[in-house]
Amino acid sequence: QSALTQPASVSGSPGQSITISCTGTSSDVGGYNYVSWYQQHPGNAPKLMINNVSNRPSGVSNRFSGSKSGNTASLTISGLQAEDEADYYCSSYASGSTVVFGGGTKLTVL
Amino acid sequence: EVQLVESGGGLVQPGGSLRLSCAASGFTFSNYGMSWVRQAPGKGLEWVSTISNSDDNTYYADSVKGRFTISRDNSKNMLHLQMNSLRAGDTAVYYCAKVFGTVDPFEYWGQGTLVTVSS
Repeated sequence: QSALTQPASVSGSPGQSITISCTGTSSDVGGYNYVSWYQQHPGNAPKLMINNVSNRPSGVSNRFSGSKSGNTASLTISGLQAEDEADYYCSSYASGSTVVFGGGTKLTVL
Repeated sequence: EVQLVESGGGLVQPGGSLRLSCAASGFTFSNYGMSWVRQAPGKGLEWVSTISNSDDNTYYADSVKGRFTISRDNSKNMLHLQMNSLRAGDTAVYYCAKVFGTVDPFEYWGQGTLVTVSS
């Protein structure tokens, strides 16, 4: 159950697009279409933003999108806004009916 | 409105035990799997355990297997986590979460309860 690999930080200016990567193995990200992304503002509980690689739950802005290629999943945020500044975590279903998270990425809106 | 309210956290000595609870409302509790996810101070998220809707399937992270037990009471809309043989590394905010699929994703989260393991 090794953690998925995410960049520690990314940044962008308002209006720009950014992409956060999430790299795993064939036993998790690459083996299943069950990658999720969570947003966490300081002091708050995480919020589900994307599930099943690219599905947006009701109420989540369409500026958030997800994709996957091989063992790497990606979260793209377009039209960056100040309120998007937060920590972002990917997760994946993994073999043995377990769940593995990424280490988290701090998004800074410049 | 889905609400998940955790309780039972606190300070415990290494080797001690603690039982966390999560009161659920706003959805048909018995229809959904439930999970515990923790976050050590200043660190990332770590999945701890998931239980199926009917209580017949449980799943654990290797780091807690054999020490933690997840359970639920569908008649009271309650989720529990019995934590034994606690270690300093178990210090974290423990979140209760409603599961959308079988083991994940975590659709709704509580606000968490802090567990501190220290002498």
